[in-house]
Amino acid sequence: AQRVTQPEKLLSVFKGAPVELKCNYSYSGSPELFWYVQYSRQRLQLLLRHISRESIKGFTADLNKGETSFHLKKPFAQEEDSAMYYCALENSGGYQKVTFGTGTKLQVIP
Amino acid sequence: DSGVTQTPKHLITATGQRVTLRCSPRSGDLSVYWYQQSLDQGLQFLIQYYNGEERAKGNILERFSAQQFPDLHSELNLSSLELGDSALYFCASSPRPGLASGELFFGEGSRLTVL
Repeated sequence: AQRVTQPEKLLSVFKGAPVELKCNYSYSGSPELFWYVQYSRQRLQLLLRHISRESIKGFTADLNKGETSFHLKKPFAQEEDSAMYYCALENSGGYQKVTFGTGTKLQVIP
Repeated sequence: DSGVTQTPKHLITATGQRVTLRCSPRSGDLSVYWYQQSLDQGLQFLIQYYNGEERAKGNILERFSAQQFPDLHSELNLSSLELGDSALYFCASSPRPGLASGELFFGEGSRLTVL
């Protein structure tokens, strides 16, 4: 069974402080991992995927297979980063089931 | 708007009733996913269809069923409703069954309240 764990429901940081949103996963195969974000009054949307190794809006995420983690990081938080963040895992088998974590609300304090 | 559309946006009904939620995927997307979001539960994967065929199944109750029609829209049927079925139901679509090179595009959700 695949599982995604986001241990923090709420993370509050001051503007300009570093941000780390934690994500741990449980999956026996080789997973595809993603971060999705939902800004206030907007739809849930893709932020980044590990396979692209990209930096979006200053956010990066590194897949650590040893620790089965995919934490989302940003060196300097901005007020517009306040949103709900969801980590997601897609299995690599023949059936593409996408599992989401429970989400972390990031609150950036001005 | 060529994005994912879900109807109705809000629905209030009584226990024991049956409702149907509808989803129209983005133009050209063949894959549809359904998720349930209850308080503190995150997004629970229910079921996925690709081009009319069921591809993956999650924790979908037997009282729930879904299908994807030839025109690619999908419906989620919820029957014998219970108070605990109150939730936000999301539909998402993608061009292909896998996401390694793609992404899920979400609708705004249908909020179901069971009284």
